[in-house]
Amino acid sequence: GAVVSQHPSRVICKSGTSVKIECRSLDFQATTMFWYRQFPKQSLMLMATSNEGSKATYEQGVEKDKFLINHASLTLSTLTVTSAHPEDSSFYICSARDYGQLNTEAFFGQGTRLTVV
Amino acid sequence: LAKTTQPISMDSYEGQEVNITCSHNNIATNDYITWYQQFPSQGPRFIIQGYKTKVTNEVASLFIPADRKSSTLSLPRVSLSDTAVYYCLVGANQAGTALIFGKGTTLSVSS
Repeated sequence: GAVVSQHPSRVICKSGTSVKIECRSLDFQATTMFWYRQFPKQSLMLMATSNEGSKATYEQGVEKDKFLINHASLTLSTLTVTSAHPEDSSFYICSARDYGQLNTEAFFGQGTRLTVV
Repeated sequence: LAKTTQPISMDSYEGQEVNITCSHNNIATNDYITWYQQFPSQGPRFIIQGYKTKVTNEVASLFIPADRKSSTLSLPRVSLSDTAVYYCLVGANQAGTALIFGKGTTLSVSS
């Protein structure tokens, strides 16, 4: 079945540095991908919608200059957490659906555990 | 997307059938009902999806009454590995539409 691959699975970085997370759709094209953030014991919170070839759409309260999204191809979206701070420590998850299929489920990456120290 | 309400948590024992009910009173005509499962430190995984009546796959069954204002996910003979958070989502099934997650139901299966 369709697979969404996310990398890295976990990363530890120092405060003030930037971290890039990649999300790839391995066997289908995804014009749109979605980025979520999940804090411990909480549900997934939609951060932004990544659109291939155009600007991402951010949810209210999500800083677009802090969470840079690039969707340069139909199979790759990247989320860069810039100038990371400890409060950015969280579990980041990407998602995509196969545009070539009707009524298809959403596929999720394995998630990236970000720890900012 | 239609708002959903489901129990925060449920407990069960191995071998039992577990039924998790989700309320979605404001479901729209074009909305589908989809359930996802999430294990700790993993992305959610699709379980089952339906529009009306009953849907069954190798993992679960989904029961949807005629008014579609609720749905029940049925997990037959659960095992310890079914311990996870289960999310009920309702909405249009379009590739460009984001899924909005509610709190989900934490299912704990004991031996």
